Amino acid sequence: EAGVAQSPRYKIIEKRQSVAFWCNPISGHATLYWYQQILGQGPKLLIQFQNNGVVDDSQLPKDRFSAERLKGVDSTLKIQPAKLEDSAVYLCASSTPGLIYNEQFFGPGTRLTVL
Amino acid sequence: AQSVSQHNHHVILSEAASLELGCNYSYGGTVNLFWYVQYPGQHLQLLLKYFSGDPLVKGIKGFEAEFIKSKFSFNLRKPSVQWSDTAEYFCAVQESSSNTGKLIFGQGTTLQVKP
Repeated sequence: EAGVAQSPRYKIIEKRQSVAFWCNPISGHATLYWYQQILGQGPKLLIQFQNNGVVDDSQLPKDRFSAERLKGVDSTLKIQPAKLEDSAVYLCASSTPGLIYNEQFFGPGTRLTVL
Repeated sequence: AQSVSQHNHHVILSEAASLELGCNYSYGGTVNLFWYVQYPGQHLQLLLKYFSGDPLVKGIKGFEAEFIKSKFSFNLRKPSVQWSDTAEYFCAVQESSSNTGKLIFGQGTTLQVKP
């Protein structure tokens, strides 16, 4: 079974520029998550999709971050314009609801450096 | 709000030493608990999980964790570490009653095992 795919793996931009990340979840997984992991911290949820609908975006800085999952499969996360504090690893995860618990499978992440 | 605290940021051990990584969470309801591991250059992967039943759970690679409800703790243990256990370890909490599956992560513990 193929895992969660993300691209690019690394991205370096200057502040005020725009950047987009792509994620393709495990086939059949209805739920998709984007996490932000700042160096020295644990991942923090930015947004969660169930199929193509947003379930939770309470932690997404909506003035600069946006995300979409138009067809309920792959997803893009965009930052426009980027700030220095956006430097982090952006992780995508997917899951399929289970009866008892919800196990998430993570992609390799995209490491963003904002100069 | 839920939070997860990992007691140690950086642990250095020699091979064959015993390991215990602390994890405490704050949440009044029923939770599912996870330990994730991130080996150098690899993505986050599930080490073990607890959702109900025996509070002592066993995971991959000889790891185990004990859920102590009265202490809101879920400490990770391994009797004898190997150099290959060098990695970053994250404790995470998920509300059992939630249908979103949102994970709250601790800040992580970096384990360095000296050969």
